[in-house]
Amino acid sequence: GQQVMQIPQYQHVQEGEDFTTYCNSSTTLSNIQWYKQRPGGHPVFLIQLVKSGEVKKQKRLTFQFGEAKKNSSLHITATQTTDVGTYFCESGGSYIPTFGRGTSLIVHP
Amino acid sequence: KAGVTQTPRYLIKTRGQQVTLSCSPISGHRSVSWYQQTPGQGLQFLFEYFSETQRNKGNFPGRFSGRQFSNSRSEMNVSTLELGDSALYLCASRFGSSYEQYFGPGTRLTVT
Repeated sequence: GQQVMQIPQYQHVQEGEDFTTYCNSSTTLSNIQWYKQRPGGHPVFLIQLVKSGEVKKQKRLTFQFGEAKKNSSLHITATQTTDVGTYFCESGGSYIPTFGRGTSLIVHP
Repeated sequence: KAGVTQTPRYLIKTRGQQVTLSCSPISGHRSVSWYQQTPGQGLQFLFEYFSETQRNKGNFPGRFSGRQFSNSRSEMNVSTLELGDSALYLCASRFGSSYEQYFGPGTRLTVT
């Protein structure tokens, strides 16, 4: 499957600060999916990106797919304590799903 | 609609034993995938079943096997358990060719 590198591994923020996690691939991705896993929970699908340069928004979350379809980002504006969790990107490719290692977001009130 | 269910939720086994985990997908979902999640390796794809056939397989030894029944329920079996098999095993179902996966709560397997 296609390898995706995700950074950073951890991110501590004060409540109200912004947060960004990045996924990078050495090869062109067909599509990329983003998931959130709360502590003790299971991954929950957030969004899928398919088109080059695509930008999608969900309230305070903004997802981007790079022009070359080799990178993607998830940006959260004005984090809240409910945003705590680990955010994963996943490339479906040939349909061997490959997940990034995830970025764990810790929000300090 | 009921979500993906997995049984059992927790399991403790001894090295050398075998284990069978069960997953019931969301009604109407014919694809079921299995994943192993560990702190060291993250989320790793084991295999996917669709209409009772294994469609894709990850890079795991033959000790890991699965099957799917006509009602789309799936089971995963791990034989000759090793300490390193301790992990959270997640199954996920999806509808048709969608990439959107719905995960179950997982089975926490501890091998002692």
